[in-house]
Amino acid sequence: DTGVSQDPRHKITKRGQNVTFRCDPISEHNRLYWYRQTLGQGPEFLTYFQNEAQLEKSRLLSDRFSAERPKGSFSTLEIQRTEQGDSAMYLCASSIGGPDGEQYFGPGTRLTVT
Amino acid sequence: KQEVTQIPAALSVPEGENLVLNCSFTDSAIYNLQWFRQDPGKGLTSLLLIQSSQREQTSGRLNASLDKSSGRSTLYIAASQPGDSATYLCAVRVSSNTGKLIFGQGTTLQVKP
Repeated sequence: DTGVSQDPRHKITKRGQNVTFRCDPISEHNRLYWYRQTLGQGPEFLTYFQNEAQLEKSRLLSDRFSAERPKGSFSTLEIQRTEQGDSAMYLCASSIGGPDGEQYFGPGTRLTVT
Repeated sequence: KQEVTQIPAALSVPEGENLVLNCSFTDSAIYNLQWFRQDPGKGLTSLLLIQSSQREQTSGRLNASLDKSSGRSTLYIAASQPGDSATYLCAVRVSSNTGKLIFGQGTTLQVKP
């Protein structure tokens, strides 16, 4: 069990470019979550999957954001036409079983939009 | 709308001191509450998970309590060590129908040798 992994760990991009992040959950974890964290704040929920189904999306997830989990394993989060306000840490978490499961977080992807 | 608040935002204590971190939430109808630790620039490490039916959970030097009726949780750290220096976050799940955790802003703890 290697824990939740995220790639890349850091991404610097210019405003207007598209970026894609990947999250690999703990093996056999059926639930996968995406959060965004800005400096000095707690993480904010973006979306979550149960297996390959996207069950909930925050209104923070504008139409420039899209997340997928095509085979119920890894997930990708894409941001199109990045803006400076998208600069944040993007965190992925996974859990197993039902809704009372403990969420285990990855190291995050730090995005800087210049 | 559920809101989670952690006060103080920062805390500095000498090594060896016992301390309490506070977390309050506005809606007492929560499903469970989780405490996390975050080191600078890193992801979150889960410390303790308390189900709504439980009053407390313990792990080593950590003890978390939950009082739903008053909308409060506390994280007690015994015999603090410099290695405990980090940001501590609490988060609530409001129902069994959501995977969403609602986080507080965190308390940044510094334990001085």
